Amino acid sequence: DAGVTQSPTHLIKTRGQHVTLRCSPISGHKSVSWYQQVLGQGPQFIFQYYEKEERGRGNFPDRFSARQFPNYSSELNVNALLLGDSALYLCASSTETGVADTQYFGPGTRLTVL
Amino acid sequence: AQSVAQPEDQVNVAEGNPLTVKCTYSVSGNPYLFWYVQYPNRGLQFLLKYITGDNLVKGSYGFEAEFNKSQTSFHLKKPSALVSDSALYFCAVRDIGGGSYIPTFGRGTSLIVHP
Repeated sequence: DAGVTQSPTHLIKTRGQHVTLRCSPISGHKSVSWYQQVLGQGPQFIFQYYEKEERGRGNFPDRFSARQFPNYSSELNVNALLLGDSALYLCASSTETGVADTQYFGPGTRLTVL
Repeated sequence: AQSVAQPEDQVNVAEGNPLTVKCTYSVSGNPYLFWYVQYPNRGLQFLLKYITGDNLVKGSYGFEAEFNKSQTSFHLKKPSALVSDSALYFCAVRDIGGGSYIPTFGRGTSLIVHP
C-alpha cells in the first residue's frame, strides 16, 4: 500500500510569494495534519482536518491556511512568505482524530524562502 | 499545557550495546505517548505508542519503551544497537485531559551507533 505522499519534494520561493503544498493520505485515512519542522527542532503542529472540516489549529499566523478535499487529500497554503517560513513541511494522515490514533507521516516538502 | 523534554541532544553507543533514548513529559491528564524515528531528508516513521496497559511497549525494529508514571518518563530502548539505527528520534505526547488531541513533539535526540 502507498504511504502518505507529498508534492513537491523541494521548493524555492522568494519573500512575499505564495506557496501551495499538497498531500495525499494513506488510502482509508480520513484525517490529515500539517506540521512545520524547522532545522534542529521537532515538528510543530499547524492544522488538522477530518472529513473536510478543520479540527485543530496550531499557533501559526493567518498567512497559513489549509483545506481538505472530498478524496481526503489536502493543501497547505502560505501567503506572504517570510525567511522564517523556510522549513520541512510534513503531512501526516490517520484513520480518525482520536487521541490514541497513530499518525503516519509523508516524506515532507522542503521549502526554502530566499 | 502539555510538554515533552528530550534531555540529550545526542546519544552515542557502540554497535551491539544496549541503547536508551530518554523522554520525560508533563500533562494535566492521562498521557498518550509516541516515539518516531527520522532518517536524513525523510519524514517521521512511527515506532511505538503507549495508550494504556502494560508499562513496557514493544514496537518496530526491535525497539521498546518503558512508561513510568511516577517519573513521568517514556524512555526508548533497544537491547542491541545496529549502525542502521543511527537517526533522529522524537518523543511526542498527547493529553486527553487537556482537551487537546494535538501532539507535542520533543526537540529530538540524535542517535549515533558506532561500528
